Amino acid sequence: AQKITQTQPGMFVQEKEAVTLDCTYDTSDQSYGLFWYKQPSSGEMIFLIYQGSYDEQNATEGRYSLNFQKARKSANLVISASQLGDSAMYFCAMREGRSASKIIFGSGTRLSIRP
Amino acid sequence: DTGVSQDPRHKITKRGQNVTFRCDPISEHNRLYWYRQTLGQGPEFLTYFQNEAQLEKSRLLSDRFSAERPKGSFSTLEIQRTEQGDSAMYLCASSLAWQATNYGYTFGSGTRLTVV
Repeated sequence: AQKITQTQPGMFVQEKEAVTLDCTYDTSDQSYGLFWYKQPSSGEMIFLIYQGSYDEQNATEGRYSLNFQKARKSANLVISASQLGDSAMYFCAMREGRSASKIIFGSGTRLSIRP
Repeated sequence: DTGVSQDPRHKITKRGQNVTFRCDPISEHNRLYWYRQTLGQGPEFLTYFQNEAQLEKSRLLSDRFSAERPKGSFSTLEIQRTEQGDSAMYLCASSLAWQATNYGYTFGSGTRLTVV
């Protein structure tokens, strides 16, 4: 069965510093995809970045990059130059297969940015 | 396009009462998903629809839960005989089938249910 593990319940980072949020996953499927979502206090889940299992390059979206290490089954999110508005819950998630009929989520990391 | 809308945003109900939540997806999205999120946890998959067909249900979806998407547009999630353990945020999401693979889903802001 597929599983997502986020081992950092909470993190504090100084504004403008870079931060890495850890994510490991487990799946027996060869084709899968990994996502990161941000959930501010308003509750809405906001899509940040996606990495496919066959993608050779690490995904990047603006200040977000995904450090994908397939052999280690890790998909860490890196946020460069953190901003106060980055304070939120961050969830790593995975789809198995191509249908994306179900995405499963990790337990999340609460990121707090200090001014 | 106003995104995914959920109504109500908050619901407080007494144990044993029935509640119904509504989700209006992005209009052209053919897939609709329901998730439940308890405090301090990530969202857990409940069920999903492609058009009006309910294609998958989690074992988390007990007999007291029922979801419908009668015309392939909005969806309702009903919980009968609510229990305190049903207290959670209920999230709805939608996507185009092909889009879900690489972009995941678009989520609404959720309905927070409190059972007292």
